[in-house]
Amino acid sequence: GAGVSQTPSNKVTEKGKYVELRCDPISGHTALYWYRQSLGQGPEFLIYFQGTGAADDSGLPNDRFFAVRPEGSVSTLKIQRTERGDSAVYLCASSLTGTGVEQFFGPGTRLTVL
Amino acid sequence: KQEVTQIPAALSVPEGENLVLNCSFTDSAIYNLQWFRQDPGKGLTSLLLIQSSQREQTSGRLNASLDKSSGRSTLYIAASQPGDSATYLCAVKRGTALIFGKGTTLSVSS
Repeated sequence: GAGVSQTPSNKVTEKGKYVELRCDPISGHTALYWYRQSLGQGPEFLIYFQGTGAADDSGLPNDRFFAVRPEGSVSTLKIQRTERGDSAVYLCASSLTGTGVEQFFGPGTRLTVL
Repeated sequence: KQEVTQIPAALSVPEGENLVLNCSFTDSAIYNLQWFRQDPGKGLTSLLLIQSSQREQTSGRLNASLDKSSGRSTLYIAASQPGDSATYLCAVKRGTALIFGKGTTLSVSS
């Protein structure tokens, strides 16, 4: 079956603009995660959804970052007033349930803030 | 706070060699440990998942071990091939999130 998909694959924006990044998880996976990967680093956790609700948003760096998953499937990560330091690859992952099972990652969205 | 360290940061080997990548973590209270492969500019591909109650997992030429009490895992790659060239990441799960190391970049020359 289809894996995790993310759109767009690349996004270039100007400082101060608003961006939305989309993630389409594997069908039937109830858990969805967002991570951010800076150059030369491992991915860092941002937020975890179980169904429609954000069960853990402790990794969001500040209130400019927000994510939704209104129907328990597709998720959108929203970044307001982008800053150059937001430039990174944003990775989405899904898993069948929330604990103790394998996470499957999408190809990521490379965000560049000029 | 859980910290994950991977040694070495980079490794170059000739084709055919067997090799070991190391991963250590500071908090042994984990649900599982997962090894990933990342090709340049790409997402992560899951290689092996070891539950906290398991000692090792094998898939083809890959074997991963877990010693939870000492906070260590190794990824053994047998008979390396140029196609194995990539960055290998380990991650531990405690709570909801995966905590990643910075990875080991492997280059296999033909």
